[in-house]
Order: sequence, then C-alpha cells, then structure tokens
Amino acid sequence: ETGVTQSPTHLIKTRGQQVTLRCSSQSGHNTVSWYQQALGQGPQFIFQYYREEENGRGNFPPRFSGLQFPNYSSELNVNALELDDSALYLCASSSPGTGRRRQYFGPGTRLTVL
Amino acid sequence: AQTVTQSQPEMSVQEAETVTLSCTYDTSENNYYLFWYKQPPSRQMILVIRQEAYKQQNATENRFSVNFQKAAKSFSLKISDSQLGDTAMYFCAFMNPEPGGGADGLTFGKGTHLIIQP
Repeated sequence: ETGVTQSPTHLIKTRGQQVTLRCSSQSGHNTVSWYQQALGQGPQFIFQYYREEENGRGNFPPRFSGLQFPNYSSELNVNALELDDSALYLCASSSPGTGRRRQYFGPGTRLTVL
Repeated sequence: AQTVTQSQPEMSVQEAETVTLSCTYDTSENNYYLFWYKQPPSRQMILVIRQEAYKQQNATENRFSVNFQKAAKSFSLKISDSQLGDTAMYFCAFMNPEPGGGADGLTFGKGTHLIIQP
C-alpha cells in the first residue's frame, strides 16, 4: 500500500500571498487531517475532512480552508499569508477500517513566509 | 479543551540504557486515546504506541511500553535497550473521539528531544 504523500516539499511565499498545499492519503483511507507545526513546537490541529466534508476544526482563522476530493486527496489553502504562518504543515490520513484513532502522517511541507 | 504537557524539553542517555519520557494531560472526558509519536530529523511523524483509556492494561510494543495512570492523568513512555536510531523528538498526543465513532484531531505536547549517545 502507498503511504501519505505531500507536495511540495518546500515553499517560499511573501506576506499577503496565497498558498495551496496538497496531500494524497494512504490507500483505503477516507479521512484527512491537517496540522501546523511551528519550529520547536508540537503540531496543532487545523481541520479534518471526512468524505469531502469538514469534520472538525481547531483554533485557526477562516483564511485557512481546505478541500477533499472524491479520491480522498486533500488541499490546504491559506490566504493572506502572515509571517507567523511559516511552519511545517503535516497531513495525516486515517480510516474507520483501521480505526480513525490511528493517523498516518506524511513527510510535511515546509512553508516559509517572507 | 484538552491540554498535554511534556515537562522534559531534552533528555540524553547512553545506548542500551532505559529511558522514561513523561507526559501529563488534562481532560474532563472519560473515554479517550493517548499516543506517543516519534519525529526523527526526516520530519515524518511515526506512531510509536497507542493506549485506549478504557483499557487498564498498559500498552507495549517491543522495546516501548507505557505507564498509564488514569487517575493521575499521566502517560509516560519507557524505552528499553535504547538504540542510536531512537534519537528523535517524541510527542505525546491526546484524542477525544466523538460519540458514534467520529474522531477529532490530535492534541500534541511540545515534545521531548531524546538523544541516544553511543
């Protein structure tokens, strides 16, 4: 089975721009969660998508938005980028079959906002 | 809201020694899940071990075991016979599953940087 993949690996943007990050879930998984990990911190939950619908959200403003596609891949969009958005963005997939409590993480996208 | 606290920013032990990483959490829920994740320099978050709160028996996975004290809201990770490849950031995490089998996101602690010395 294929693991969770994310693209791009690294990204540099300037303040005020918009960015789209992509995640392909592990084969057979229909739930994708996104996390933001600032340098030296633990990941923080942004939101979760299940069957193309947002299924839960952490304490992030509306300029953080997402999509899930019929093949269960997902996008994270961030508008009006701020310097504090610089972080590692992780996605994780899971499935009721394996228990949604077990999340499989991708390698992350490192976003730098200048 | 749940919180997870890891009070040891960094620990260093010699190869083959046993090391214990501490984690405490705060929740008003009775049913939940606890996890330890490992994040090596490659950045990939890897699940080490998982514990369901309704199970009294402590989880074990080869050299990794936990000491789950529900009343004290404590969830420590013990690594036996430590190896150089165990060097990584270790994160304790909490999940509060929704009724009916849904799932919320993970709440992570700030992590402990574990260094295994040769």
